[in-house]
Amino acid sequence: EVQLVQSGAELKKSGESLKISCQGSGYSFDTYWIGWVRQEPGKGLEWMGIIYPGDSDTKYSPSFEGQVTISVDKSIDTAYLQWSGLKASDTAIYYCARHLREFNYGAAFDIWGQGTQVTVSS
Amino acid sequence: DIQMTQSPSSLSASVGDRVTITCRASQGIANYVAWYQQKPGKAPKLLIYGASALQSGVPSRFSGNRYGTEFTLTISSLQPEDVAIYYCQKYNSAPQTFGQGTKVEI
Repeated sequence: EVQLVQSGAELKKSGESLKISCQGSGYSFDTYWIGWVRQEPGKGLEWMGIIYPGDSDTKYSPSFEGQVTISVDKSIDTAYLQWSGLKASDTAIYYCARHLREFNYGAAFDIWGQGTQVTVSS
Repeated sequence: DIQMTQSPSSLSASVGDRVTITCRASQGIANYVAWYQQKPGKAPKLLIYGASALQSGVPSRFSGNRYGTEFTLTISSLQPEDVAIYYCQKYNSAPQTFGQGTKVEI
């Protein structure tokens, strides 16, 4: 079964750092782009950025560039989203998702992780 | 950046009704549009990609079309299980922006 499994919920304080994970299984992890999507409480979906595990090519939304870092460890089929200094406004659910087509940058997200709730208190 | 303007923001319809949701792109994006369904507390689910291709396992009452830079998602006969929020997404280039969402109620 093709799936993405995300790390568990996090409760952090403002200013702390955090790295959440997304592990793929059941497919060739190296050859499908993986993206991150934010959903603030009661709000819509926001595309944050994507990474190609094969060569770590990464593309960010201007809204998130410099605010987060997307990385990957292809030896353990895992993508990461990290913050160096959390803010209360980072409170949201974060989803990872895989592109539909192998190798293809221009593709929809067909497989989604279950989401990671990040709560940041001030 | 290319913007995706989705309408309406919400709608209420009856079981069996035909429902149409629209996304308009601020520039040409060919067929690089997907539609997702999100139910409360769940991750989004891919319904349509390439503007009109039905994702495997999705009921045939869902369909997508393109009219220039305007894209539509149609539910031909609304069912109770279709209550959800629907999002369009453009994915031709970064940022692969989502529309604002349409809440569908019965």
